[in-house]
Amino acid sequence: DTGVSQDPRHKITKRGQNVTFRCDPISEHNRLYWYRQTLGQGPEFLTYFQNEAQLEKSRLLSDRFSAERPKGSFSTLEIQRTEQGDSAMYLCASSYAGGGDEKLFFGSGTQLSVL
Amino acid sequence: DQQVKQNSPSLSVQEGRISILNCDYTNSMFDYFLWYKKYPAEGPTFLISISSIKDKNEDGRFTVFLNKSAKHLSLHIVPSQPGDSAVYFCAAVRQGGSEKLVFGKGMKLTVNP
Repeated sequence: DTGVSQDPRHKITKRGQNVTFRCDPISEHNRLYWYRQTLGQGPEFLTYFQNEAQLEKSRLLSDRFSAERPKGSFSTLEIQRTEQGDSAMYLCASSYAGGGDEKLFFGSGTQLSVL
Repeated sequence: DQQVKQNSPSLSVQEGRISILNCDYTNSMFDYFLWYKKYPAEGPTFLISISSIKDKNEDGRFTVFLNKSAKHLSLHIVPSQPGDSAVYFCAAVRQGGSEKLVFGKGMKLTVNP
């Protein structure tokens, strides 16, 4: 069990640029979540996948955000035309649905700074 | 609209004493509750959980109490250790759905040697 892996750990970009983050979940987990955390706040739900299907998206996920999980394994989160308000820690988590355990396992996150 | 509330942003205790972290929720549909611990520059790590059919769950130094009528839960750490210093998040979920956790804002616990 190598845990949830996220890449990169840090990203600094200029306003208006596009950025893409990657998440590799725990291999046997079929659910994958993206959360965002800003300073002084708890993690806020963005979207989740069961296998390759994106089943729910938060209102926080504007049309500049897109997430994919093409083969039901790793996932990418892309932010287009970044804004300073996008600066946050982006957290990925995974779980196994149907196991009776709602515990999510989180990665270390990608810290995004938009200048 | 904060469905999970941690009203105290910080707590400082002496090593060896008890730490009590509180959490309130507003959504009566929540039926499973979790506590996560977070160190700086790391993701949250699971600590302990409780189902709404129970009022107490214990794991070593950590005990979570649930009062459904008051929509309140608390995490007790005893004895507290300096390594427990971290931000603690309370989370709640409605089982059988997306298993989407709703988090509180967190509380920073400092355990002084």
